[in-house]
Amino acid sequence: EAGVAQSPRYKIIEKRQSVAFWCNPISGHATLYWYQQILGQGPKLLIQFQNNGVVDDSQLPKDRFSAERLKGVDSTLKIQPAKLEDSAVYLCASSLRGWNSPLHFGNGTRLTVT
Amino acid sequence: KNEVEQSPQNLTAQEGEFITINCSYSVGISALHWLQQHPGGGIVSLFMLSSGKKKHGRLIATINIQEKHSSLHITASHPRDSAVYICAVRGGGADGLTFGKGTHLIIQP
Repeated sequence: EAGVAQSPRYKIIEKRQSVAFWCNPISGHATLYWYQQILGQGPKLLIQFQNNGVVDDSQLPKDRFSAERLKGVDSTLKIQPAKLEDSAVYLCASSLRGWNSPLHFGNGTRLTVT
Repeated sequence: KNEVEQSPQNLTAQEGEFITINCSYSVGISALHWLQQHPGGGIVSLFMLSSGKKKHGRLIATINIQEKHSSLHITASHPRDSAVYICAVRGGGADGLTFGKGTHLIIQP
């Protein structure tokens, strides 16, 4: 089975610029997650989708971050405008049906904000 | 809120050694995940367990619900096992996963 696909792999932008990340989960997986992982720390959940609805976005900085999963399949995460502290790896994961199903992670997008 | 502690933070061992990584959490859970993260960011799910023991190849994961503790063991370790191993738990009032900071394992040839 194809894994979780993410793009781009790397991105370097200047602060105050905008950036978007794309994720295509494993086919049939209803739940999609975006995580932020800052160097040396564990992943932090930004947003969780169940199909095309948002289940949890309590840790998403909504003044600058947005995410959508319009057709319940692939998803985009956007940062506008970026800050230096947004430098991190952005990981997308999917699972068949929520937290008690095994998670499958993409390779992540490494964002550097200068 | 669940507190997840992993030990050791860093571990360097010789090829062939038996490796143990520990994970403790503060509040009862419904599931515990062990994840492997290689340099470059990719994360692979190794195990998801809620009781007992699971084995996959040279990897063994155990969990003791009463003691709120899990261990990940690697038998006959190999340099390709070098990675960060992350413990994550679900439960304890949080709907999502709470992640440990990871154990950085280096296996030297």
